[in-house]
Amino acid sequence: QQPVQSPQAVILREGEDAVINCSSSKALYSVHWYRQKHGEAPVFLMILLKGGEQKGHEKISASFNEKKQQSSLYLTASQLSYSGTYFCGTEPLLMDSSYKLIFGSGTRLLVRP
Amino acid sequence: EADIYQTPRYLVIGTGKKITLECSQTMGHDKMYWYQQDPGMELHLIHYSYGVNSTEKGDLSSESTVSRIRTEHFPLTLESARPSHTSQYLCASSVPSRGEQFFGPGTRLTVL
Repeated sequence: QQPVQSPQAVILREGEDAVINCSSSKALYSVHWYRQKHGEAPVFLMILLKGGEQKGHEKISASFNEKKQQSSLYLTASQLSYSGTYFCGTEPLLMDSSYKLIFGSGTRLLVRP
Repeated sequence: EADIYQTPRYLVIGTGKKITLECSQTMGHDKMYWYQQDPGMELHLIHYSYGVNSTEKGDLSSESTVSRIRTEHFPLTLESARPSHTSQYLCASSVPSRGEQFFGPGTRLTVL
């Protein structure tokens, strides 16, 4: 039931691009993306709702493939501040699971100068 | 900036003690959550609430209990702490619709 994230870890040079994937075996209503820096609380990045939409904020964007129950987070021209652990949180489509998120195991991203 | 607070930030206690972790938010959010997170690992939902007098257990079995007497307050209680309870506990709240969750700074609990 827990979504599967890949890769588990990635190291980038500043300015390089990265893609983080999140796959679920369940039909989904939404996918959330959060970033957590070491010793801090997770911070919301974006939410994608059923309908296959793509969202973006500056150089971070994401897509949601409803048919495959997959979401991808795209980090373009990475900055040092992008370092941290990225979690996807999935909300199943079933009504009795409304508003509860199931988080993946995280992807550790390190951006080096 | 989200206004959600947790106290204490760090707690070291002995086995068998009763503890309460406090969580408060000033945003008027109906939905609140407690997560347990070991260092570098995923977040596990242990309790959630959709509003006053509404509490449910999450997906990860926990010996803790919660209460929701006021909208802004969602405390978590461990009646008898054990070393297996050592972890970080994160409180969160969310907007009325299926929206983002705002996380508190967390309480890092160590049970000796």
